Amino acid sequence: GAGVSQTPSNKVTEKGKYVELRCDPISGHTALYWYRQSLGQGPEFLIYFQGTGAADDSGLPNDRFFAVRPEGSVSTLKIQRTERGDSAVYLCASSLWGDTDEQFFGPGTRLTVL
Amino acid sequence: SQQGEEDPQALSIQEGENATMNCSYKTSINNLQWYRQNSGRGLVHLILIRSNEREKHSGRLRVTLDTSKKSSSLLITASRAADTASYFCTYSGNTPLVFGKGTRLSVIA
Repeated sequence: GAGVSQTPSNKVTEKGKYVELRCDPISGHTALYWYRQSLGQGPEFLIYFQGTGAADDSGLPNDRFFAVRPEGSVSTLKIQRTERGDSAVYLCASSLWGDTDEQFFGPGTRLTVL
Repeated sequence: SQQGEEDPQALSIQEGENATMNCSYKTSINNLQWYRQNSGRGLVHLILIRSNEREKHSGRLRVTLDTSKKSSSLLITASRAADTASYFCTYSGNTPLVFGKGTRLSVIA
């Protein structure tokens, strides 16, 4: 299909709530990445999937963050008990094979925790 | 954390001038990539240079890589107002994918 899509584009939630952010990668891409970006900063790596499995989740900041990719395509980033510091733009990217390839980024989900 | 560092943090030039930005890193790499981000949008891949390459061209872009100095440079020639954006380097190697803080380029018409 087209490029990487992410939904929702914006999410406002209250402190302590649970949120899910969705990423639809480019069809056929085996690798999928989640990043978050704060204002004035570069993207911060969170997790990298190769197929259905998390190849590297060392960037997840704590156990409130979890991501899945059950069928090796769509991925969901889940954040429990949100905190104001979680406010950021969450970016998803996919690539054909793995972390040595060009990544194609989605437009991001702007998460605001009040 | 092992983060790529772009330099300068901000750069302002006149349309038609060349823009050069640099990236330094600290580990062994497989490749290094440059991305552009326009305000409020996702990142767009510009160019990838492998660790065994020293220079690569793509249109008005020229990238060099010096693995002995662990540094790369991105040159944009004959800049245009549309080149105004943040530019990031990232690399893959034995660490998770990392991005620097970027260079904010402003091209003034």
